[in-house]
Amino acid sequence: DADVTQTPRNRITKTGKRIMLECSQTKGHDRMYWYRQDPGLGLQLIYYSFDVKDINKGEISDGYSVSRQAQAKFSLSLESAIPNQTALYFCATSWFPRDTQYFGPGTRLTVL
Amino acid sequence: AQTVTQSQPEMSVQEAETVTLSCTYDTSESDYYLFWYKQPPSRQMILVIRQEAYKQQNATENRFSVNFQKAAKSFSLKISDSQLGDAAMYFCAYRSACDSSGSRLTFGEGTQLTVNP
Repeated sequence: DADVTQTPRNRITKTGKRIMLECSQTKGHDRMYWYRQDPGLGLQLIYYSFDVKDINKGEISDGYSVSRQAQAKFSLSLESAIPNQTALYFCATSWFPRDTQYFGPGTRLTVL
Repeated sequence: AQTVTQSQPEMSVQEAETVTLSCTYDTSESDYYLFWYKQPPSRQMILVIRQEAYKQQNATENRFSVNFQKAAKSFSLKISDSQLGDAAMYFCAYRSACDSSGSRLTFGEGTQLTVNP
Protein backbone atom coordinates (compact mmCIF):
# COMPACT_ATOMS: atom_id res chain seq x y z
CA ASP A 1 0.00 0.00 0.00
CA ALA A 2 1.13 3.53 -0.77
CA ASP A 3 2.46 5.52 2.17
CA VAL A 4 0.92 8.81 1.02
CA THR A 5 -2.43 8.70 -0.74
CA GLN A 6 -4.46 11.45 -2.35
CA THR A 7 -8.11 11.48 -3.33
CA PRO A 8 -9.42 12.07 -5.86
CA ARG A 9 -6.69 11.44 -8.45
CA ASN A 10 -8.50 13.45 -11.07
CA ARG A 11 -11.30 15.98 -10.75
CA ILE A 12 -13.13 18.26 -13.12
CA THR A 13 -15.25 20.99 -11.61
CA LYS A 14 -16.91 24.25 -12.56
CA THR A 15 -16.08 27.81 -11.66
CA GLY A 16 -17.50 28.79 -8.29
CA LYS A 17 -17.79 25.29 -6.89
CA ARG A 18 -16.28 24.29 -3.57
CA ILE A 19 -13.93 21.37 -3.76
CA MET A 20 -11.87 19.41 -1.27
CA LEU A 21 -8.73 17.40 -1.94
CA GLU A 22 -7.71 14.87 0.67
CA CYS A 23 -4.39 13.47 1.73
CA SER A 24 -3.70 10.56 4.05
CA GLN A 25 -0.43 9.05 5.16
CA THR A 26 0.65 5.91 6.95
CA LYS A 27 4.26 6.96 7.41
CA GLY A 28 3.69 8.33 10.90
CA HIS A 29 5.15 11.69 9.88
CA ASP A 30 4.23 14.82 11.81
CA ARG A 31 4.67 17.33 9.00
CA MET A 32 2.44 17.63 5.97
CA TYR A 33 2.43 19.95 2.98
CA TRP A 34 0.32 20.94 0.00
CA TYR A 35 2.01 21.99 -3.23
CA ARG A 36 0.72 23.11 -6.58
CA GLN A 37 2.38 22.39 -9.91
CA ASP A 38 1.50 24.36 -13.02
CA PRO A 39 2.40 23.00 -16.46
CA GLY A 40 6.11 23.24 -17.19
CA LEU A 41 6.91 24.58 -13.74
CA GLY A 42 8.23 23.33 -10.44
CA LEU A 43 6.12 23.02 -7.32
CA GLN A 44 4.97 25.92 -5.17
CA LEU A 45 3.98 25.61 -1.53
CA ILE A 46 0.36 26.37 -0.64
CA TYR A 47 0.12 25.42 3.06
CA TYR A 48 2.08 23.38 5.54
CA SER A 49 1.40 21.88 8.94
CA PHE A 50 3.91 20.84 11.61
CA ASP A 51 1.24 19.11 13.67
CA VAL A 52 -2.52 19.11 14.15
CA LYS A 53 -2.56 22.51 15.84
CA ASP A 54 0.13 24.19 13.75
CA ILE A 55 -0.90 25.29 10.26
CA ASN A 56 0.91 27.88 8.19
CA LYS A 57 0.51 29.66 4.89
CA GLY A 58 2.95 29.01 2.08
CA GLU A 59 3.84 31.08 -0.95
CA ILE A 60 0.48 30.90 -2.75
CA SER A 61 -2.24 30.41 -0.11
CA ASP A 62 -4.79 32.90 -1.49
CA GLY A 63 -7.97 31.13 -2.55
CA TYR A 64 -7.15 27.99 -0.54
CA SER A 65 -7.79 26.73 2.97
CA VAL A 66 -6.67 23.60 4.80
CA SER A 67 -7.69 21.36 7.63
CA ARG A 68 -5.51 18.95 9.61
CA GLN A 69 -8.10 16.54 10.94
CA ALA A 70 -5.56 14.17 12.46
CA GLN A 71 -1.86 13.58 12.30
CA ALA A 72 -2.41 11.37 9.28
CA LYS A 73 -4.91 13.55 7.37
CA PHE A 74 -4.49 16.93 5.72
CA SER A 75 -7.18 18.36 3.43
CA LEU A 76 -7.00 21.22 0.96
CA SER A 77 -10.12 23.18 0.04
CA LEU A 78 -10.89 25.57 -2.76
CA GLU A 79 -13.83 27.59 -1.47
CA SER A 80 -14.81 28.95 -4.86
CA ALA A 81 -12.80 27.38 -7.65
CA ILE A 82 -11.57 29.51 -10.54
CA PRO A 83 -10.00 28.39 -13.86
CA ASN A 84 -6.47 29.53 -12.97
CA GLN A 85 -6.49 27.01 -10.13
CA THR A 86 -6.34 24.30 -12.76
CA ALA A 87 -3.14 22.47 -11.84
CA LEU A 88 -1.60 19.34 -10.39
CA TYR A 89 -1.76 19.26 -6.59
CA PHE A 90 0.64 17.29 -4.44
CA CYS A 91 0.59 16.37 -0.79
CA ALA A 92 3.89 15.62 0.91
CA THR A 93 5.01 14.48 4.36
CA SER A 94 8.18 14.61 6.43
CA TRP A 95 9.20 14.22 10.04
CA PHE A 96 11.37 16.30 12.29
CA PRO A 97 14.34 16.42 12.34
CA ARG A 98 14.68 14.60 9.04
CA ASP A 99 14.21 16.89 6.10
CA THR A 100 13.24 14.63 3.24
CA GLN A 101 9.71 15.11 1.92
CA TYR A 102 7.78 12.20 0.44
CA PHE A 103 5.10 12.95 -2.09
CA GLY A 104 1.71 11.50 -2.83
CA PRO A 105 0.69 10.59 -6.39
CA GLY A 106 -0.92 13.96 -7.09
CA THR A 107 -4.42 15.16 -7.95
CA ARG A 108 -5.07 16.64 -11.36
CA LEU A 109 -7.70 19.37 -10.96
CA THR A 110 -9.43 21.06 -13.88
CA VAL A 111 -11.68 24.05 -13.29
CA LEU A 112 -13.91 24.88 -16.22
CA ALA B 1 14.63 34.41 -0.61
CA GLN B 2 16.22 31.36 -2.07
CA THR B 3 15.99 30.63 -5.77
CA VAL B 4 16.80 27.52 -7.76
CA THR B 5 17.65 27.64 -11.46
CA GLN B 6 17.80 24.81 -13.95
CA SER B 7 19.14 26.26 -17.18
CA GLN B 8 18.48 23.21 -19.35
CA PRO B 9 14.77 22.84 -20.15
CA GLU B 10 15.48 19.67 -22.15
CA MET B 11 18.28 17.15 -22.39
CA SER B 12 18.69 13.89 -24.26
CA VAL B 13 21.03 10.94 -23.87
CA GLN B 14 21.63 7.64 -25.58
CA GLU B 15 20.82 4.53 -23.62
CA ALA B 16 23.83 3.32 -21.60
CA GLU B 17 25.61 6.67 -21.80
CA THR B 18 26.11 9.32 -19.13
CA VAL B 19 24.30 12.62 -18.81
CA THR B 20 24.68 15.55 -16.42
CA LEU B 21 21.84 17.86 -15.42
CA SER B 22 22.71 21.30 -14.08
CA CYS B 23 21.31 23.20 -11.15
CA THR B 24 22.38 26.43 -9.49
CA TYR B 25 20.86 28.08 -6.46
CA ASP B 26 21.07 31.33 -4.62
CA THR B 27 21.08 31.56 -0.85
CA SER B 28 22.70 33.50 1.95
CA GLU B 29 22.46 30.53 4.31
CA SER B 30 25.29 28.20 5.14
CA ASP B 31 23.29 25.19 6.26
CA TYR B 32 20.76 23.65 3.92
CA TYR B 33 19.79 20.55 1.98
CA LEU B 34 19.59 19.93 -1.74
CA PHE B 35 17.55 17.32 -3.56
CA TRP B 36 16.91 15.92 -6.97
CA TYR B 37 13.41 14.64 -7.63
CA LYS B 38 12.28 12.70 -10.69
CA GLN B 39 8.79 13.03 -12.17
CA PRO B 40 8.02 10.36 -14.78
CA PRO B 41 4.88 10.48 -16.95
CA SER B 42 2.98 8.87 -14.08
CA ARG B 43 3.49 12.33 -12.45
CA GLN B 44 4.66 10.85 -9.14
CA MET B 45 7.44 12.89 -7.50
CA ILE B 46 10.22 10.45 -6.65
CA LEU B 47 13.25 11.34 -4.56
CA VAL B 48 16.45 10.54 -6.45
CA ILE B 49 19.19 11.85 -4.21
CA ARG B 50 19.80 14.14 -1.25
CA GLN B 51 22.81 16.24 -0.24
CA GLU B 52 23.54 17.94 3.06
CA ALA B 53 25.41 21.21 2.60
CA TYR B 54 27.74 20.65 5.54
CA LYS B 55 28.99 17.39 4.06
CA GLN B 56 31.96 17.66 1.73
CA GLN B 57 31.39 14.27 0.19
CA ASN B 58 29.16 14.12 -2.85
CA ALA B 59 26.09 11.93 -2.47
CA THR B 60 25.73 8.78 -4.56
CA GLU B 61 22.79 6.44 -5.09
CA ASN B 62 23.61 3.59 -7.46
CA ARG B 63 23.82 5.13 -10.97
CA PHE B 64 23.01 8.62 -9.69
CA SER B 65 25.61 10.95 -8.25
CA VAL B 66 25.93 14.65 -7.64
CA ASN B 67 28.67 17.21 -8.01
CA PHE B 68 28.09 19.64 -5.16
CA GLN B 69 30.12 22.84 -5.37
CA LYS B 70 29.12 24.89 -2.35
CA ALA B 71 31.17 27.98 -3.14
CA ALA B 72 29.81 28.09 -6.66
CA LYS B 73 26.29 27.23 -5.45
CA SER B 74 26.09 24.47 -8.00
CA PHE B 75 24.45 21.06 -7.64
CA SER B 76 24.54 18.91 -10.78
CA LEU B 77 23.14 15.41 -11.18
CA LYS B 78 25.04 12.77 -13.12
CA ILE B 79 23.20 9.72 -14.41
CA SER B 80 25.49 6.89 -15.49
CA ASP B 81 24.53 3.98 -17.74
CA SER B 82 21.26 5.71 -18.65
CA GLN B 83 18.21 3.51 -18.94
CA LEU B 84 14.91 4.02 -20.73
CA GLY B 85 13.22 4.20 -17.35
CA ASP B 86 15.28 7.27 -16.49
CA ALA B 87 13.25 9.34 -18.94
CA ALA B 88 11.41 11.92 -16.85
CA MET B 89 11.29 15.51 -15.71
CA TYR B 90 14.00 16.15 -13.13
CA PHE B 91 13.63 18.84 -10.49
CA CYS B 92 16.33 20.31 -8.32
CA ALA B 93 15.11 21.51 -4.93
CA TYR B 94 16.48 23.46 -1.97
CA ARG B 95 15.47 23.32 1.67
CA SER B 96 16.79 25.57 4.41
CA ALA B 97 18.07 23.88 7.54
CA CYS B 98 16.40 26.67 9.48
CA ASP B 99 13.07 25.33 10.68
CA SER B 100 11.43 28.74 10.82
CA SER B 101 11.20 28.65 7.04
CA GLY B 102 8.62 25.91 7.37
CA SER B 103 10.78 23.19 5.88
CA ARG B 104 9.54 24.28 2.49
CA LEU B 105 11.15 23.03 -0.65
CA THR B 106 12.03 25.58 -3.32
CA PHE B 107 12.03 23.96 -6.75
CA GLY B 108 13.69 24.76 -10.04
CA GLU B 109 11.71 24.77 -13.28
CA GLY B 110 12.78 21.25 -14.22
CA THR B 111 14.76 19.53 -16.97
CA GLN B 112 12.99 17.10 -19.28
CA LEU B 113 15.29 14.14 -19.93
CA THR B 114 14.78 11.94 -22.98
CA VAL B 115 16.59 8.62 -23.24
CA ASN B 116 17.06 7.37 -26.79
CA PRO B 117 17.32 3.61 -27.45
